[in-house]
Amino acid sequence: GQQLNQSPQSMFIQEGEDVSMNCTSSSIFNTWLWYKQDPGEGPVLLIALYKAGELTSNGRLTAQFGITRKDSFLNISASIPSDVGIYFCAGYSDSWGKLQFGAGTQVVVTP
Amino acid sequence: NAGVMQNPRHLVRRRGQEARLRCSPMKGHSHVYWYRQLPEEGLKFMVYLQKENIIDESGMPKERFSAEFPKEGPSILRIQQVVRGDSAAYFCASSLTSGSLNEQFFGPGTRLTVL
Repeated sequence: GQQLNQSPQSMFIQEGEDVSMNCTSSSIFNTWLWYKQDPGEGPVLLIALYKAGELTSNGRLTAQFGITRKDSFLNISASIPSDVGIYFCAGYSDSWGKLQFGAGTQVVVTP
Repeated sequence: NAGVMQNPRHLVRRRGQEARLRCSPMKGHSHVYWYRQLPEEGLKFMVYLQKENIIDESGMPKERFSAEFPKEGPSILRIQQVVRGDSAAYFCASSLTSGSLNEQFFGPGTRLTVL
């Protein structure tokens, strides 16, 4: 089946640094969503992207829907301790209900 | 404005017992989805329901697993005769619409442990 490849798997950064992660797919996606998951909780939606080339910001977060519709990236600027968590990309390809998830990027922020 | 609610948050069952997980979608949402997450992995789609109908169950095992979303009340994911491999976090999500503008909002999950 189709797979989302998310990288990096983990990142250890210092407070104030920027973070960048991306997802790629072998298939075209119609929608890209970025979620953050804290330990013991469900994923929380951060940003939704609907059009190829779309660049969307939410505070210190910026995400883009790749022109080829096969990739997306998420940037976090000026990281703070509460940015710690696991970030997942997700998207719809051929089925509107079935969200496919990447394996996640674990972000650790040190003071 | 309550979000997606799931209960119980933690469930312990012995092998062979039944597990019943409940999900109440956000107010006004009629689309419900169930996902399973193993440790250090992403979420895997199981089933998509819309009031009283199963729309897509392609990710749900054919045996022992069933899901329903009745006209009244929460959506239920039922696992019969649980085995150790069923231990995982099960998340429910809901959405207002279906289609390309579908944003799914997740509940806090039910962590199932099978002894």
